[in-house]
Amino acid sequence: KNEVEQSPQNLTAQEGEFITINCSYSVGISALHWLQQHPGGGIVSLFMLSSGKKKHGRLIATINIQEKHSSLHITASHPRDSAVYICATSFYSNYKLTFGKGTLLTVNP
Amino acid sequence: GAVVSQHPSWVICKSGTSVKIECRSLDFQATTMFWYRQFPKQSLMLMATSNEGSKATYEQGVEKDKFLINHASLTLSTLTVTSAHPEDSSFYICSARDGPPGTSEGGELFFGEGSRLTVL
Repeated sequence: KNEVEQSPQNLTAQEGEFITINCSYSVGISALHWLQQHPGGGIVSLFMLSSGKKKHGRLIATINIQEKHSSLHITASHPRDSAVYICATSFYSNYKLTFGKGTLLTVNP
Repeated sequence: GAVVSQHPSWVICKSGTSVKIECRSLDFQATTMFWYRQFPKQSLMLMATSNEGSKATYEQGVEKDKFLINHASLTLSTLTVTSAHPEDSSFYICSARDGPPGTSEGGELFFGEGSRLTVL
C-alpha cells in the first residue's frame, strides 16, 4: 500500500517569500499530482508529473523518482496563494489517487 | 481548458431521503470518473471509480447499495446517496479523466467544484 506523506502540515509565510512543500511516497508510482483546494472546497489540479520538473507561472513542481520525493515551490508568494496543497500519487493502470493529508498555506500581506 | 461541472454545489435534505449529485465533463469525453468524499479537516477519500457503460468499482468499506453510481454517457456520472443519514453529511467531489485506461496519453485529471451535503 502506498503511503503519501506531506510536510509541513501548516505553513505561514509573508507575501513575497519563496515557499516549498514536500511530498514523499513509499512505492513506485506512475504519476504524482499536486492539487490546490481553496476554502470553498473546490479543487484545481496544478501539476501531474512522472519525472523531472514542470513550471507554471510562479509554481514549480519537481520529482525525484529514485528518492520517491516531490516538491512544490511557489515563488514570490501572494495572499491569493493561501489554500490547502495536496500531493497525490497514481498508477496509469487505474488512475486511482492516493492522497497526502495536505499542507495548509497561509500567506500574509 | 477542460471543465468538470458538479451540481448541486450544496444541498440540505431530511434524513431518509435520497439525493442525486451530477458530474459532467463539459468539453471532453470522460472515459473514467471518480467520486471522492471529504469530511471536515480530513483528506479526500476515493469512494468509487465509474467507467462509462459498466458498473462502478467501489472502494473497500463503501456501500454500493447506499451510494449508487451511474455513468450512462461519456459526459455524465451521477452519485445518488440513498436513504441519507446525518453521518452521510460530507463534501463530495468528482474528477474525470480523458484518454484510455492504462496509458498516460490524454490522462489529465479534472475536478468538479464539489457538492456539500447536509443531512438533517
